[in-house]
Amino acid sequence: EMQLVESGGGLVQPGRSLRLACVASGFTFDGYAMHWVRQAPGKGPEWVSGISWNSETIAYADSVKGRFTISRDNAKNSLFLQMNSLRAEDTALYYCAKDGPLLVPTYYMDVWGKGTTVSVSS
Amino acid sequence: DIQMTQSPSTVSAAVGGRVTITCRASQSISSWLAWYQQKPGKAPKLLIYRASSLESGVPSRFSGSGSGTQFTLTISSLQPDDFATYYCQQYDSYPTFGQGTKVEIK
Repeated sequence: EMQLVESGGGLVQPGRSLRLACVASGFTFDGYAMHWVRQAPGKGPEWVSGISWNSETIAYADSVKGRFTISRDNAKNSLFLQMNSLRAEDTALYYCAKDGPLLVPTYYMDVWGKGTTVSVSS
Repeated sequence: DIQMTQSPSTVSAAVGGRVTITCRASQSISSWLAWYQQKPGKAPKLLIYRASSLESGVPSRFSGSGSGTQFTLTISSLQPDDFATYYCQQYDSYPTFGQGTKVEIK
């Protein structure tokens, strides 16, 4: 069974940093692009960032560009999101999600984790 | 950014009924559209990709159609498990989601 498990969320003050992690199992992690998607309370999902299987292609939403950094460690089946200069509007449930097709990123997501909650407040 | 607009925001239907949800893109996205189902407290679940391709394991009562800027998701015979919120998502460029359509019991 394909599974994604996120961790690293928590309550943090504005301007501080947080690092999210996602561990994958049940599929060939290094064959797929991966994404972070967030969902603020009562709102629809918002794509945050994506990374190709080999880390050569990385993309960010304008709302996080310059503050967030996505990375992966294929040897450890892990995806990361380094979040700096956090703002109140970054408060959300953060999901790790697997891209659909093998090797070719398409930016739709066919497997999702349960999410980790990030709250930014003083 | 490509804006995705769903209608209606809420739809009420009876078990066994037919439901159609519309998604409109602010510019042409060819067929690069996915549909997701989300239940309270759960992650979104992929139903359809490339506008009309059914994800493995998804019941055939779900179908998608459209291309360019206009798309629809149809549930042909609503089951109790289908009451949820549905989102469209374009992936012609960096992904953007619609605001969601809640399917309620009539």
